[in-house]
Amino acid sequence: SYVLTQPPSVSVAPGQTARITCGGNNIGSKSVHWYQQKPGQAPVLVVYDDSDRPSGIPERFSGSNSGNTATLTISRVEAGDEADYYCQVWDSSSDHPGWVFGGGTKLTVL
Amino acid sequence: EVQLVESGGGLVQPGGSLRLSCAASGFTFSSYWMSWVRQAPGKGLEWVANIKQDGSEKYYVDSVKGRFTISRDNAKNSLYLQMNSLRAEDTAVYYCARGGSGYYSRDAFDIWGQGTMVTVSS
Repeated sequence: SYVLTQPPSVSVAPGQTARITCGGNNIGSKSVHWYQQKPGQAPVLVVYDDSDRPSGIPERFSGSNSGNTATLTISRVEAGDEADYYCQVWDSSSDHPGWVFGGGTKLTVL
Repeated sequence: EVQLVESGGGLVQPGGSLRLSCAASGFTFSSYWMSWVRQAPGKGLEWVANIKQDGSEKYYVDSVKGRFTISRDNAKNSLYLQMNSLRAEDTAVYYCARGGSGYYSRDAFDIWGQGTMVTVSS
């Protein structure tokens, strides 16, 4: 089955740029979605289809996807961005198609 | 307001059954793929199952195949997850989530419910 690999944690100072990676075999050929989840809350979609933002999501959130790595970039990080972030793809390549989530990355704002 | 509200969670013994429900409002429920996603305590997100707009396609994660059944009632704007032969490792918060309105299941989950807790323990 398809595997998405994320770093367990990323730390960044306020005002700096955070980059959270999501690795997968030829992930560049898939559409990647990103979710933010704060403690005790449901996930929130922050980037879809590699680089598009839902309405209401700040422009500080952006995404890219190429080769074997997709990246969520958060510019001018704020304390309120501290959360867990998950990448997601639809895997149609196997005999058992389904959604796959990465293991999640905890973003700490120093 | 677009909203998903889950219900039906609770404490159940290993081997038991539980049926989760998800009530949708504020959008045309019958136009969207729907999914169940779970999160074990302190763990990451795990997709469980999804169902096409008319119920003609259903997909499951391997760990629940043969034990869980996803269904929907478009007339009642409701999504369901029948869970049988429950195991301790099924303990999690279960979320329902709205997928896309397209033919294929590739669109992101743009609306999530607040979740319902399922605890499998003796």
